[in-house]
Parts: sequence; structure tokens; C-alpha cells
Amino acid sequence: DVKVTQSSRYLVKRTGEKVFLECVQDMDHENMFWYRQDPGLGLRLIYFSYDVKMKEKGDIPEGYSVSREKKERFSLILESASTNQTSMYLCASSLGDTISYEQYFGPGTRLTVT
Amino acid sequence: AQKVTQAQTEISVVEKEDVTLDCVYETRDTTYYLFWYKQPPSGELVFLIRRNSFDEQNEISGRYSWNFQKSTSSFNFTITASQVVDSAVYFCALSEAGGYNKLIFGAGTRLAVHP
Repeated sequence: DVKVTQSSRYLVKRTGEKVFLECVQDMDHENMFWYRQDPGLGLRLIYFSYDVKMKEKGDIPEGYSVSREKKERFSLILESASTNQTSMYLCASSLGDTISYEQYFGPGTRLTVT
Repeated sequence: AQKVTQAQTEISVVEKEDVTLDCVYETRDTTYYLFWYKQPPSGELVFLIRRNSFDEQNEISGRYSWNFQKSTSSFNFTITASQVVDSAVYFCALSEAGGYNKLIFGAGTRLAVHP
């Protein structure tokens, strides 16, 4: 079974802090994704990566950066956390770039910025 | 532009009722895939089904069934004889053109099944 794990289920940070959210997948998937989930808005793509050290902006990249130094690990970085980044963050991975592949999700990190 | 609309924000039913979750999509692609995911209270999205644009056959899996109609750009999901364990948020998603296996998600429908 594919397993996607995220470093924390709940996180509370202060405004201005640098925040790291970590995601690890164990199935050698090429693609990894970071989403944020907000009520009424569904899942919105922040960044994705299709290979080690490769990254592409999603729909809402402002205020975020990512890092993928190893194939299995994809990190989301909030350089200076703000209250409007309080949200649920979901990481996902998929096998390749064919549009038929489903994405596998981690359990999510609920981030609160105070 | 590609888009997925789930007009039902929340649905509340009593156990054993049938319930249909609506999904309408927009795309200019001729080849695309549609997906349904379930998000239980634990938070992790679980893949339910995938459908490609050339296969309009309805699919049934136990109490779950899916109706794909290209003529109305809809991919609706029906739960028959709902159970409390079906309570979750359900997302419909569309594969995005341009590769990289990106998905466009609808806003989700929260289903509450009461005993």
C-alpha cells in the first residue's frame, strides 16, 4: 500500500515564524503535490514537483516555497507565516505524468497561525 | 478553462436513505479523467473511482454507483442505503491538461448520515 506521511497533524505557529511542513511517500512516486484545503474552496494546489529538485507553481504559490532534495520527500515552507495561512495542508503523490493516475494523500496538517 | 462544480455544500440524510452527490465539470479536452475522493473525519482523502472520457458506462461497487454523462458534463455519485460510516466530505476532481497528473477539485460536498 502506498503510504504518504506528514510530519505533524496539528501545528500552532506565531505570525512571522518560518514554518516547515514535511511530507514523505514510500512508493517511489515521481510526482508530489501540496494543497491547502479551506471550507467552501475545496483543495487548491500550492506547488507540485515532478522530479527531484524540480518544482512548479500551482494556483496559489504566494507566500510559500518548496523543496525536494530526495525523491521521497517534499517540503512546504512558509517563509513568514501569516494568519491568512491558517488552513489544512494536504500532501499527495502520484506515480507519473499520465493523467489517469490517482493521487494518494497524507492525513493532513492543520496549521494555526496566531 | 477547466472547472469542477459541486453545487451541494452539505447534505443530511437518515440512515438507509439513498443519496446522490452531483458533480458538473467543464473542459475543452477530449481526453480527460474524472475522480471521486472521500475525506472521512480523519482527514485523509481516499480514492474511490476513476473514469475516462471515452467510457460512459455506469459503474457500481457495492452500495456505490456512478453515473457519467458527457452530454450534460456530469459525473454523479449515488450511495444506496446510506450508513453512518458514509459520513464524510466527498470531492469530485478532473484531470488537468498539460501533464504532471494535476487535478482540479470541486469544493466538496459534506454528507452527514444520521442514525
